[in-house]
Amino acid sequence: AQKITQTQPGMFVQEKEAVTLDCTYDTSDQSYGLFWYKQPSSGEMIFLIYQGSYDEQNATEGRYSLNFQKARKSANLVISASQLGDSAMYFCAMREGAGANSKLTFGKGITLSVRP
Amino acid sequence: NAGVTQTPKFRVLKTGQSMTLLCAQDMNHEYMYWYRQDPGMGLRLIHYSVGEGTTAKGEVPDGYNVSRLKKQNFLLGLESAAPSQTSVYFCASSSWQGETQYFGPGTRLLVL
Repeated sequence: AQKITQTQPGMFVQEKEAVTLDCTYDTSDQSYGLFWYKQPSSGEMIFLIYQGSYDEQNATEGRYSLNFQKARKSANLVISASQLGDSAMYFCAMREGAGANSKLTFGKGITLSVRP
Repeated sequence: NAGVTQTPKFRVLKTGQSMTLLCAQDMNHEYMYWYRQDPGMGLRLIHYSVGEGTTAKGEVPDGYNVSRLKKQNFLLGLESAAPSQTSVYFCASSSWQGETQYFGPGTRLLVL
């Protein structure tokens, strides 16, 4: 089974609207972390937001928030007030293990296009 | 503070040639990683290092070697390049706690 699943086809959103990018994960670990990265057309990987498995509150970073539903094993990224510069590929990733034994597994990504 | 840098940015190789990709970080991070990104595949871990002088295999290590002689540098080598190694290569680093990984800008490699 895939550890990280991102199944949405290319997503489109109107500028200034909110959009949710879906991510489900599979792990038997009790301690794990969930990440979202943004990859614009220029190619770099930009860290957006992190959620620890023991964090009780959903993580927020500016316009980004992570809708963490542990029982459903989902970690959806919510972008509020979309901007044209948000057009990019978005990757969900999961860290299992700790310290030197930690491993990061990436999903296949979702393409987001923001329409003016 | 440059973060994570990679050289070169782009390279074309012929099958059988060798090359080394250099990754450098100035954040004093213990852990460093090499990934490759292929269309529709996301990022896959090639090799990683948890400290100077140590390296370990990731998910797709075949055809690659690595070295971490200095804490700030992590080298990825291709001894005999193959067309299947055409990809975008990313280096990343993280602190010893192994939390957030910060990525370099990537190296685009084309093997003909």
